[in-house]
Amino acid sequence: SHVVTQPPSVSAAPGQAARITCGGDNFAHIGVHWLQQRPGQAPVLVISNDSDRPSGIPERFSGSHSGNTATLTISRVEAGDEADYYCQISDSSNNHPVFGGGTKLTVL
Amino acid sequence: VQLVESGGGVVQPGRSLRLSCVPSGFAFNSFAMHWVRQAPGKGLEWVSFISYDGNIRDYADSVRGRFTISRDNFKKTLYLQVSTLTADDTAIYYCARHGGDGSFDFWGQGTLVTVSS
Repeated sequence: SHVVTQPPSVSAAPGQAARITCGGDNFAHIGVHWLQQRPGQAPVLVISNDSDRPSGIPERFSGSHSGNTATLTISRVEAGDEADYYCQISDSSNNHPVFGGGTKLTVL
Repeated sequence: VQLVESGGGVVQPGRSLRLSCVPSGFAFNSFAMHWVRQAPGKGLEWVSFISYDGNIRDYADSVRGRFTISRDNFKKTLYLQVSTLTADDTAIYYCARHGGDGSFDFWGQGTLVTVSS
């Protein structure tokens, strides 16, 4: 089964860009989804299928995928972006959803 | 779209609970659904899946044989029967809608299950 790896923490100053990576073996042809979870709240989908932005999600959120690494980029970071971010894939061997361990974004 | 979970609480090891999730704002009988849990201070863990008509069900290895997912499309409710509970099952349990591309596109606020003697 797939192991999905994220850095435990990322930090960025307000107005700067934050980049959060998600990787694993045999990742190249798997769609990656990204979730934002603010403290004490339920997760919210911010990027689906590598780079699609759901309705209501600010354009500052974007996603990309190259080879075995997917990246969530938050441009012009704001204090309200401080949250845990999780990537999610579907394991190709059994179609089970798999979450990365999560990355805590700190806005300096 | 809204999803509202209920049924959590404090339960002794070995006992059971039934969690419910009531949707609104979309055609429930057209969407597959999931349960996902999050232990205190930990990450997200997928628990179970059910197809739009209930004919296909799947479980994480950690809960297979102990948890049962079901749905009633007439009552518009999703269920998760959790049995033979252990301390490792202590978590917030979220229901989530299955997006067409494999994502979880909408989530409820969760219901907390605490397994403790």
